[in-house]
Amino acid sequence: ILNVEQSPQSLHVQEGDSTNFTCSFPSSNFYALHWYRWETAKSPEALFVMTLNGDEKKKGRISATLNTKEGYSYLYIKGSQPEDSATYLCASLTYNTDKLIFGTGTRLQVFP
Amino acid sequence: DSGVTQTPKHLITATGQRVTLRCSPRSGDLSVYWYQQSLDQGLQFLIQYYNGEERAKGNILERFSAQQFPDLHSELNLSSLELGDSALYFCASSVSVGVQETQYFGPGTRLLVL
Repeated sequence: ILNVEQSPQSLHVQEGDSTNFTCSFPSSNFYALHWYRWETAKSPEALFVMTLNGDEKKKGRISATLNTKEGYSYLYIKGSQPEDSATYLCASLTYNTDKLIFGTGTRLQVFP
Repeated sequence: DSGVTQTPKHLITATGQRVTLRCSPRSGDLSVYWYQQSLDQGLQFLIQYYNGEERAKGNILERFSAQQFPDLHSELNLSSLELGDSALYFCASSVSVGVQETQYFGPGTRLLVL
């Protein structure tokens, strides 16, 4: 994988459902993975920065896991709420560059 | 509110013109990043400054330039503007340049080139 890819592109769930989506990134020269939450008409807000293989981070109902060997990260939202509706972006940082490469995001819509 | 400010919020200009976008990082942050968000693309990294020095460069066009001043605010200069430069330009800041540094994004400047 040369780019950062996210799937699915969009997701519609009912309030109370748990959901998850994937970020795939180049595993060679991996340095760090960032997750951001981007609500419409606002700026991206940092959720997690992960660096270690097997790392798991949690913030309220949102958690993320990291597999640096195979180059993927999962973001989980437990018991989705309408206020979770946003685009979730991941971004990868590699040793041979000093810049974050963003995926195109997963747009989550939670219906009441 | 991330603590990062950007001005102006909106900018409408004509092709061939030059504009300057301004960013003030969070208090204490030394690193500033510029990103471009076009309609058909994700967030694209343009350039990063750390404590006044250019640190990393992304897909920044030669018509674009940036600088970070001694008071740590940064400006992104876009010249010879083309229609395709219409986009949302974000600035972000972080304390330093470490791999675990969280970037805090400003509200963005929406540029429309007519």
